[in-house]
Order: sequence, then structure tokens, then C-alpha cells
Amino acid sequence: EAGVTQFPSHSVIEKGQTVTLRCDPISGHDNLYWYRRVMGKEIKFLLHFVKESKQDESGMPNNRFLAERTGGTYSTLKVQPAELEDSGVYFCASSQVEGRSNEQFFGPGTRLTVL
Amino acid sequence: AQKITQTQPGMFVQEKEAVTLDCTYDTSDQSYGLFWYKQPSSGEMIFLIYQGSYDEQNATEGRYSLNFQKARKSANLVISASQLGDSAMYFCAMRGVAPGRRALTFGSGTRLQVQP
Repeated sequence: EAGVTQFPSHSVIEKGQTVTLRCDPISGHDNLYWYRRVMGKEIKFLLHFVKESKQDESGMPNNRFLAERTGGTYSTLKVQPAELEDSGVYFCASSQVEGRSNEQFFGPGTRLTVL
Repeated sequence: AQKITQTQPGMFVQEKEAVTLDCTYDTSDQSYGLFWYKQPSSGEMIFLIYQGSYDEQNATEGRYSLNFQKARKSANLVISASQLGDSAMYFCAMRGVAPGRRALTFGSGTRLQVQP
């Protein structure tokens, strides 16, 4: 069974440009989460999808960030326009609806560098 | 709000010895879950162990055990018989169980280095 995949693995862009990150969850996982870790800080929650619906987007930092999950499969996270403080590692995770621990399986992350 | 505190930025342990990584938490949720993840230098987040707040017994998964002390709000990870491959960042995390509260809250992590 394939794990959570993320694309690209690295992205280097200039301030003001747009970047789109993609996450493919484990097949059959309805829950999809986005997290990020900016330099030297803790991993922070961004938002949570259940299928195609946004269950919780309380962690989105501002309106420069837009997440979508059309069709309830893969998700994209767009940053437009990117700022220097957006640099960090963006993780995606997925989990099943049912399950004792609702363990979240993480992808390898996308390292974003904004110059 | 939920908060996870990991007070050990870095730890050293000799190969084959046991090590305890500290984690304390704070939450207003009545039911919650506690997790430990390992992040090796390659960057992926690997799930290690889970403890439910109403579980009466401490969780164990192979060489990993979670020392859960609910009254003290602590969820320390114990790694027995350390191996060189255990060198990594370790994150303690928690989440609620109610809809809309299932996002993980992470601590700042502990970097463990296992010495031969």
C-alpha cells in the first residue's frame, strides 16, 4: 500500500511568487491534514479536510494560503504571494475515519524556501 | 487550547541503554489521545506509539513504552535497549477526539543521539 506522497519535495521561489504544493493521501483515507514547521519552531496545524470539506481551518495563517481538495482525493495548498516567513517544511497527513487511535500517517514533506 | 511541552532539546544515550524522553501536556478536553512520532534525518514522520486518555494501561510497542501519568499530565516515552538507528528527533503530540479537534498539537521535539 502506498503511503502519503507529497510533491514537490523541495521548492525554491522568490518573494511574491506563487507556489502550489500537492498531497496525495493514502487511498481510502477521508481525513487529510496540512501542517508546517517553520525554521526553529514547532510543527503547527494548518487545516483539516474530511473528504472534500474543510472541517477545521483555524490554523491557516492568512488569506495568502488557499487549500483545496476537489473530489475528496488529493489536496493542494497554494501560497500566493509567498513571503519570506513562509519558508519551512509543509507536511501532509491522512487518517481513516474510524480507528482507535486515528493515527495520522505523514508524508515526507515539502521543503519550501522563499528568497 | 492544547499545549505540549518537551523540556529536553537534546539527549545522549549509550547504545543498548534505556532512555526516557519527557513530555507534559495541558488540555481542556476530557478525552484525548497522546502520540509520539520519530523524525530521522531523512525528514519523514514515523508514528511510534499511542495512548488514549482513558486507557488504564500504559501503551507498549516493541522497544517503545509510554509512561502515562494522567494526574501529572505527563506522557514520557521510554526507549529500551537503544540502537544507533534510534538517533532522530522525537515529537510528542496530542489531539482531541471530538470532530474539529482532531488536529495534532506538537511539542518542540527532542533530538536523541545514540552513541556506540
